[in-house]
Amino acid sequence: DSGVTQTPKHLITATGQRVTLRCSPRSGDLSVYWYQQSLDQGLQFLIQYYNGEERAKGNILERFSAQQFPDLHSELNLSSLELGDSALYFCASSQVGVTSGGHNEQFFGPGTRLTVL
Amino acid sequence: GNSVTQMEGPVTLSEEAFLTINCTYTATGYPSLFWYVQYPGEGLQLLLKATKADDKGSNKGFEATYRKETTSFHLEKGSVQVSDSAVYFCALSDGGGGSNYKLTFGKGTLLTVNP
Repeated sequence: DSGVTQTPKHLITATGQRVTLRCSPRSGDLSVYWYQQSLDQGLQFLIQYYNGEERAKGNILERFSAQQFPDLHSELNLSSLELGDSALYFCASSQVGVTSGGHNEQFFGPGTRLTVL
Repeated sequence: GNSVTQMEGPVTLSEEAFLTINCTYTATGYPSLFWYVQYPGEGLQLLLKATKADDKGSNKGFEATYRKETTSFHLEKGSVQVSDSAVYFCALSDGGGGSNYKLTFGKGTLLTVNP
């Protein structure tokens, strides 16, 4: 158990809909990362939040957005869903700070499997 | 940009065989390197890491050495077990000069170990 929790575990929805995926980081971790895992694209970084602020963006579509709340949990919102958005969405957390020296050990949650029909 | 290239699978071995999964990387600066493992139906678990050149990461009988001169971080295990069957991902984190430490992953290598 990594200490990172994600809900729900599975999500089945229809095209055009909107869903919210939730992540709670390990206790004490300030950074939250979202990744998408699909068969054709592999594991792709979407977005990072650090202590409530967006810190980096990767290959995240404009239809997707995220936020990190004061209690450090994060939500990934996916809207106007398309068939191609079906994937496993992972959240990871880490203790990231000036003194970490780049030793970014990220701990992954179990993922949310999204199926768009 | 950063990239990770790892050996395409799938790899099928018999129990107690020697395992090597090749991984090379392209990055600016001095990245940290990782191997993650994903067992069927589960999330990713950190297997081992190395943060500077010539460091050797090791865990559960797996080893990988950070080779800056060949930009490689090959995963090895002397004697695999059926329980090692999983997908293995090589990854790097370059630090980004601040608090952006996103991971860049290879495509993953599926390992199947037969009894």
